[in-house]
Amino acid sequence: QQPVQSPQAVILREGEDAVINCSSSKALYSVHWYRQKHGEAPVFLMILLKGGEQKGHDKISASFNEKKQQSSLYLTASQLSYSGTYFCGTESASYDKVIFGPGTSLSVIP
Amino acid sequence: DGGITQSPKYLFRKEGQNVTLSCEQNLNHDAMYWYRQDPGQGLRLIYYSQIVNDFQKGDIAEGYSVSREKKESFPLTVTSAQKNPTAFYLCASKGPAETAKSNTEAFFGQGTRLTVV
Repeated sequence: QQPVQSPQAVILREGEDAVINCSSSKALYSVHWYRQKHGEAPVFLMILLKGGEQKGHDKISASFNEKKQQSSLYLTASQLSYSGTYFCGTESASYDKVIFGPGTSLSVIP
Repeated sequence: DGGITQSPKYLFRKEGQNVTLSCEQNLNHDAMYWYRQDPGQGLRLIYYSQIVNDFQKGDIAEGYSVSREKKESFPLTVTSAQKNPTAFYLCASKGPAETAKSNTEAFFGQGTRLTVV
């Protein structure tokens, strides 16, 4: 029941774009996205609810296709500070447990 | 300031010993979670609790135990039955959604790094 994330790892040059995908075999109520730097706690990026809502702030946005049980995180014009491991977390119902995917390691190089 | 606090930051355990990791939150959140993270791995759910005096097993509960006697506190005990306890442990809490069409994020503590010596 753990969501699947792809790609496992990606290397970008500053200014390039990236897409990270998250999919589940279960019907989803919401999807969370977090970024974690090595040895630190995950930092919240955004939540999406079923309804196909797309959210975003600054140059990071995400979409949620509830019919396909998939979410994608879009990073545009990447900055060095975007480096880290990105996790999606899924909930199957309101106020349910949050199950995280294995993570996508993203490295941005000058 | 509201937040979630884990202690200690680093913990060393001898084989065969039980150890307890502390997690306290002053966010007035009902739901609390314990995750285990191994190097290069994702976050795996150990236990979670949605209300005081109630908790459920996650995907990897064997060798762990928890209690939820107070809303603010959700300690995790790593027992001697856990064969490979060396890992980074993260506690999180989550508040209720304000409406049926909203949701709230999980707030994480800074983690406890447990090493068996």
